[in-house]
Amino acid sequence: DAGVIQSPRHEVTEMGQEVTLRCKPISGHDYLFWYRQTMMRGLELLIYFNNNVPIDDSGMPEDRFSAKMPNASFSTLKIQPSEPRDSAVYFCASSPPEGISGNTIYFGEGSWLTVV
Amino acid sequence: EDQVTQSPEALRLQEGESSSLNCSYTVSGLRGLFWYRQDPGKGPEFLFTLYSAGEEKEKERLKATLTKKESFLHITAPKPEDSATYLCAVHSMDSNYQLIWGAGTKLIIKP
Repeated sequence: DAGVIQSPRHEVTEMGQEVTLRCKPISGHDYLFWYRQTMMRGLELLIYFNNNVPIDDSGMPEDRFSAKMPNASFSTLKIQPSEPRDSAVYFCASSPPEGISGNTIYFGEGSWLTVV
Repeated sequence: EDQVTQSPEALRLQEGESSSLNCSYTVSGLRGLFWYRQDPGKGPEFLFTLYSAGEEKEKERLKATLTKKESFLHITAPKPEDSATYLCAVHSMDSNYQLIWGAGTKLIIKP
């Protein structure tokens, strides 16, 4: 399996611009997670989906952030408008149907976002 | 409040010098404790899951142990390729999928 695939790997954008991050989870995984990692706050869960349905978005920092999962093989995380404090590494991860009690979460390689 | 604390923040060892990383946790009830390895520019990679006090898991030079308050990741005779950041995460009974992550320990093994 190719693993969790994220794009773009690196993005530099100007403040106020829209940013869209993309993710393809591992085939057969029912759970999809969006995480953000910074030096100050470590790994933070932003939102997760189960069978394409958003279950918990309490980690989404502001209304500027939105996430969608139109089908089982694709998800997006959008920031509009972007701000310098959004600069971070954004990870997408997926998990099998058995869930993390019996399995693990598999991470993509991340999207490195810099907002200037 | 559920909390995970890792120590030390960074650890420099000579190749072959064994040591341990610590993960202390406070949760209302433990479903599982996870260890991940993260290389620079990469996503975290799963190493171990531990479910109950007294449990141990081994993989090559790594061994993870669990008590009711903490977990240790023991590294025996490490090699430079073991250099990475090691993350600990806890899944508590109070949450469905929200893992509580530690800040990580950056391990550097010098040849």
